[in-house]
Amino acid sequence: DAGVIQSPRHEVTEMGQEVTLRCKPISGHNSLFWYRQTMMRGLELLIYFNNNVPIDDSGMPEDRFSAKMPNASFSTLKIQPSEPRDSAVYFCASSLAGTQGGGYTFGSGTRLTVV
Amino acid sequence: DAKTTQPNSMESNEEEPVHLPCNHSTISGTDYIHWYRQLPSQGPEYVIHGLTSNVNNRMASLAIAEDRKSSTLILHRATLRDAAVYYCILRDGDFGNEKLTFGTGTRLTIIP
Repeated sequence: DAGVIQSPRHEVTEMGQEVTLRCKPISGHNSLFWYRQTMMRGLELLIYFNNNVPIDDSGMPEDRFSAKMPNASFSTLKIQPSEPRDSAVYFCASSLAGTQGGGYTFGSGTRLTVV
Repeated sequence: DAKTTQPNSMESNEEEPVHLPCNHSTISGTDYIHWYRQLPSQGPEYVIHGLTSNVNNRMASLAIAEDRKSSTLILHRATLRDAAVYYCILRDGDFGNEKLTFGTGTRLTIIP
């Protein structure tokens, strides 16, 4: 199993540009999570999906952020327009829901820099 | 979300056991105790989880107090590769409410 795959690994973009981060969860997992990590705020949950349906998006910072999961093997997190304060490492994770507290598997993250 | 309390940092000598404590006095009956670690420049990594009984796996052991208000992650023989931030997290076991909320964790330093 290749694990959770995120792309790109690094992204540098100019303020105002649209950014799309991609995630492929582990095959068979039915829950998917997007996190953001900064030095100031640590790891923050942005949104999570169960069976491709968004369950909790209360962590999404503002309307500039949107996430989709069109099928069980793919999710995107989009920022439009991007701002320097969006610079962070974005992690995607997946798990098998309903497994009585089973663990998450995280991807290697996308380091986003907005200049 | 029920909250956990961990020391900000700990140090341990290489090849010695490490006991990482976690307090979770407001734990509810459906909360599982999860431990993750994050090595430098990597994503968090699942370590172990449990509900009421002590648990062992190839990475670590989890000792859970009888009243479940505290737990201890045990690394039996620390190596330099175990230097990481360790997070103790309570996860609701109910389907559809399984999000993990990370705190600040314990930064473990291994001394050669």
